Amino acid sequence: AQTVTQSQPEMSVQEAETVTLSCTYDTSESDYYLFWYKQPPSRQMILVIRQEAYKQQNATENRFSVNFQKAAKSFSLKISDSQLGDAAMYFCAYRSAVGTGNQFYFGTGTSLTVIP
Amino acid sequence: KAGVTQTPRYLIKTRGQQVTLSCSPISGHRSVSWYQQTPGQGLQFLFEYFSETQRNKGNFPGRFSGRQFSNSRSEMNVSTLELGDSALYLCASSLYLGRQETQYFGPGTRLLVL
Repeated sequence: AQTVTQSQPEMSVQEAETVTLSCTYDTSESDYYLFWYKQPPSRQMILVIRQEAYKQQNATENRFSVNFQKAAKSFSLKISDSQLGDAAMYFCAYRSAVGTGNQFYFGTGTSLTVIP
Repeated sequence: KAGVTQTPRYLIKTRGQQVTLSCSPISGHRSVSWYQQTPGQGLQFLFEYFSETQRNKGNFPGRFSGRQFSNSRSEMNVSTLELGDSALYLCASSLYLGRQETQYFGPGTRLLVL
């Protein structure tokens, strides 16, 4: 089974600064998807950004961007101009693009604190 | 479009009882997955249903079961509850059409077993 590792249980950032959350994964597949989800204290999990492995270009969504290094199996999330509303638990997730089934594998999460 | 809804939002049960949780996916979504979230274990995959068929199952005991109806709504059932079943149970739906594989999550059902 695939594994997803988030080595930073907690991170903090000053408001308006930039922070990078790390994620590595282990897979023997070449076609897959990677996601970052955000879970604020209200507990609703929200999709932040997604990346398809066959696309070399890094995905970007407003202040959120990823650094996808396929050979290194690394998928980090960069949050620019951090805002208080960015405080949440962030989960990295992997999903295979082959075969049937829609199973996601999640990392253990990184708790992000934004300091005013 | 309405998001994923889960009922009930909170539930308190005692050991040995059984519980049924419900999930209504986003309209048009055919895949529904269930996860158990606990502080120590993170998100653990329970099972996934597509067109009323279970396609994937995680490493949980047989006390955990589920089903999906023709309208894609899904239920999960936990029998003979144990204290360790206390968790947030999340449901996620996806369109599963071509490469549209993103999962959208509901708010979860918080289960407390006493």
